[in-house]
Amino acid sequence: DVKVTQSSRYLVKRTGEKVFLECVQDMDHENMFWYRQDPGLGLRLIYFSYDVKMKEKGDIPEGYSVSREKKERFSLILESASTNQTSMYLCASSYVQGISGEKLFFGSGTQLSVL
Amino acid sequence: KQEVTQIPAALSVPEGENLVLNCSFTDSAIYNLQWFRQDPGKGLTSLLLIQSSQREQTSGRLNASLDKSSGRSTLYIAASQPGDSATYLCAFQTAGNKLTFGGGTRVLVKP
Repeated sequence: DVKVTQSSRYLVKRTGEKVFLECVQDMDHENMFWYRQDPGLGLRLIYFSYDVKMKEKGDIPEGYSVSREKKERFSLILESASTNQTSMYLCASSYVQGISGEKLFFGSGTQLSVL
Repeated sequence: KQEVTQIPAALSVPEGENLVLNCSFTDSAIYNLQWFRQDPGKGLTSLLLIQSSQREQTSGRLNASLDKSSGRSTLYIAASQPGDSATYLCAFQTAGNKLTFGGGTRVLVKP
C-alpha cells in the first residue's frame, strides 16, 4: 500500500516562528501536493510539485514556500507563522499517468496551531 | 473557475438504508473525478476515480456515476453501515494536474 507520512500529527507554534512541515511518500510518485483544510472553506491547494526541484503555486501560496530536494520528500515552510495559518495541513501524492490523472493518496494531516 | 458543490452538507440515515450523495460542477472540461472519505481529524482516503471518458465506477457497495453534460456526479452506498459514517468529498481534476474539492457531505449512519 502507498504510504504518505507527515512528520507531526499536532504542532503548536508562536507567531513569527519559522515552521517546517515534512511529508514523505514511499511509492516513487512524481506529484506531491500541500493542501490546507479549514471549516467552511474546504481543501485549498497551497503548492504542488511534479518533479524534484520543481514547484508550482496553488490557489493560496501567500505566506508559504516549499522545497523538494528529493523525489520522496516535500516540505512546506511557513517563513513567519501567523495566527491565520492555524489549520489542518494535508500532504498528498500521485503518479503521473497521462493526462487523465491518477488517484491521490493523502497523509494523516498535521493540525497546526499558531498562538 | 471550477466550482464544486456538494448537497446536502449533512445526512443522517438508519443502518441498512442506501445513501445517495450528490456533487455538481460548473466546468465540463474535466479530466477525472474522485470521491474521497475522511474520518474526523484524519486525512482523505480515495474511494473511486472516474475518468472523463467513463460513466461510472464500482467498488463493493460503492458506485459512482459521472454525467458531464449535466455537470453532476453521484456516489451511491448500498446497505449503509455505522462504519460508513464519515465525511465524503468529491474532487475534479482539470488542466495542470490540480484538483478542486467540494465542501463535503457529513454522513451519520445510525445503528
